[in-house]
Amino acid sequence: ETGVTQTPRHLVMGMTNKKSLKCEQHLGHNAMYWYKQSAKKPLELMFVYSLEERVENNSVPSRFSPECPNSSHLFLHLHTLQPEDSALYLCASSQDPIAGLGGEQFFGPGTRLTVL
Amino acid sequence: TQLLEQSPQFLSIQEGENLTVYCNSSSVFSSLQWYRQEPGEGPVLLVTVVTGGEVKKLKRLTFQFGDARKDSSLHITAAQPGDTGLYLCALPNDYKLSFGAGTTVTVRA
Repeated sequence: ETGVTQTPRHLVMGMTNKKSLKCEQHLGHNAMYWYKQSAKKPLELMFVYSLEERVENNSVPSRFSPECPNSSHLFLHLHTLQPEDSALYLCASSQDPIAGLGGEQFFGPGTRLTVL
Repeated sequence: TQLLEQSPQFLSIQEGENLTVYCNSSSVFSSLQWYRQEPGEGPVLLVTVVTGGEVKKLKRLTFQFGDARKDSSLHITAAQPGDTGLYLCALPNDYKLSFGAGTTVTVRA
């Protein structure tokens, strides 16, 4: 138990569906992140939020829409996804945005997304 | 953007054997982190190395940071099935982490 929870753990959706992934951190952290983990590829950073403001949007297609209503919650809204978007979506948090000398990121268990 | 190369991609060994996995870059690291990701879970931080030549030990795990700060290794002594997982190295940089592709380690009982 890392203090970061994600729901749902598994999601199957069609290309025309709209769904949302939820992340909650119970650690009092100020920064939250969405990552995509595909088979045989490095973890890809998608979005970074610091104090509820988006500080990084890593060239992510607009069919992925993040929302950070407060420092404890992060959502990823999904619509008209493609089969290649099937992956494990990981949420993470850290006390502050990661700086050059590091700082620990705490990851949730992920949502396994399958797009049919 | 610094690229991290990890090797080998896969490693399968018998319980009790030793193993080493590597993380390399053509650029100098300011610091490097190692994470382990078990099946069905997110990555968990094992260690952060900062100083060239640094060696850190965590029970049966030994982490080395190269003198030139361009490479790092993780050595596991007397591996156990509980060591099974994906081992990732990561560069902290500009409020984010950049990850290598990882080494999948399987320890057979």
